[in-house]
Amino acid sequence: ETGVTQTPRHLVMGMTNKKSLKCEQHLGHNAMYWYKQSAKKPLELMFVYSLEERVENNSVPSRFSPECPNSSHLFLHLHTLQPEDSALYLCASSSGQESYEQYFGPGTRLTVT
Amino acid sequence: GQQVMQIPQYQHVQEGEDFTTYCNSSTTLSNIQWYKQRPGGHPVFLIQLVKSGEVKKQKRLTFQFGEAKKNSSLHITATQTTDVGTYFCADQDTGNQFYFGTGTSLTVIP
Repeated sequence: ETGVTQTPRHLVMGMTNKKSLKCEQHLGHNAMYWYKQSAKKPLELMFVYSLEERVENNSVPSRFSPECPNSSHLFLHLHTLQPEDSALYLCASSSGQESYEQYFGPGTRLTVT
Repeated sequence: GQQVMQIPQYQHVQEGEDFTTYCNSSTTLSNIQWYKQRPGGHPVFLIQLVKSGEVKKQKRLTFQFGEAKKNSSLHITATQTTDVGTYFCADQDTGNQFYFGTGTSLTVIP
């Protein structure tokens, strides 16, 4: 068990729906990340939060909106997604100091219909 | 971010054979991390290499960082069925940003 949990584990949503993915880390880390993992593509870094401030937004479409209310929780709000957004969404955390070893959650398998 | 190329994309080996995956970059890497993802699972951190020419071992796994810090390799000696999964290298850009290679999917035939 990595100490990073994600809910839900599976999500099917229509293109007009609004949903949110939740991530929680119990490791006392200061940095949290959202990644997208599609078939036959490398892990894509979407957002990085360090000490609750967003430090990276890799040209992610505005239909994805992150929120980090505190250092233990991270959300990804989804709105009017496209079928090509179907993927595994992984949350990760790291201490952000000296060692940047990342601990990943189990992911949310998202299907957009 | 820096682009890290990883080869091969797939590798099938007979149990007991060795396996190697390579990461290459056109630019100098600050450090490199290696992760393993089992089928249906999530990436799990294996190791981080920081120094030029660094070699680290974990049981049957040997990790190397090139002298020029532009490439890295992971070598598994005498593969076992438990080694099945996808192995990723990741380049750390400034601060907290990481860029992952495409991964090498390892299949071990019993």
